[in-house]
Amino acid sequence: EPEVTQTPSHQVTQMGQEVILRCVPISNHLYFYWYRQILGQKVEFLVSFYNNEISEKSEIFDDQFSVERPDGSNFTLKIRSTKLEDSAMYFCASSGGVTGELFFGEGSRLTVL
Amino acid sequence: DQQVKQNSPSLSVQEGRISILNCDYTNSMFDYFLWYKKYPAEGPTFLISISSIKDKNEDGRFTVFLNKSAKHLSLHIVPSQPGDSAVYFCAASGTYSGGGADGLTFGKGTHLIIQP
Repeated sequence: EPEVTQTPSHQVTQMGQEVILRCVPISNHLYFYWYRQILGQKVEFLVSFYNNEISEKSEIFDDQFSVERPDGSNFTLKIRSTKLEDSAMYFCASSGGVTGELFFGEGSRLTVL
Repeated sequence: DQQVKQNSPSLSVQEGRISILNCDYTNSMFDYFLWYKKYPAEGPTFLISISSIKDKNEDGRFTVFLNKSAKHLSLHIVPSQPGDSAVYFCAASGTYSGGGADGLTFGKGTHLIIQP
């Protein structure tokens, strides 16, 4: 069964450092998403991406965040200068856009020290 | 401003009984609702969905009910099994195709514990 894969599974970084989280969506999907879940809190929408551009972004997705689909298969989330409050589990998801079902990756845990 | 609310952080149900998970929403523009199940250290997995033109959708042991006037939906699992123990997220979308440009809005989740 096709699946969304994410790397790394866990990254520890110092505050102020840049972090790139990588995702390989399901190959024939058209819509891509990043969500995050801070420990003990709800899953929050960050950004959606379609046709090589951002479709929608939340208030959380400020200028420190960017997304890219550099090579037609990977979908990356970059945080330019990490803050302590960026520590969370980051989930990538993709969708074919027909049934409304999003397929999530297993998540990348980011710990900012 | 919580647009999707799951007011029970946890729920304990005996194996074989019915589990009922509740979800309320405030945004009347939502027209597509989904339930996701999440095990520890895994991403959410899609369980069942319902569009606003329906009031019930059934898939095996899982049934979702939608009450648009009350802006309330519920997920029924019957009979509950030990493998159903997980966190269940209610999610809503403003487009029929929840995988479209609009992101899903998630509730905080309800931790369902099935007791033997």
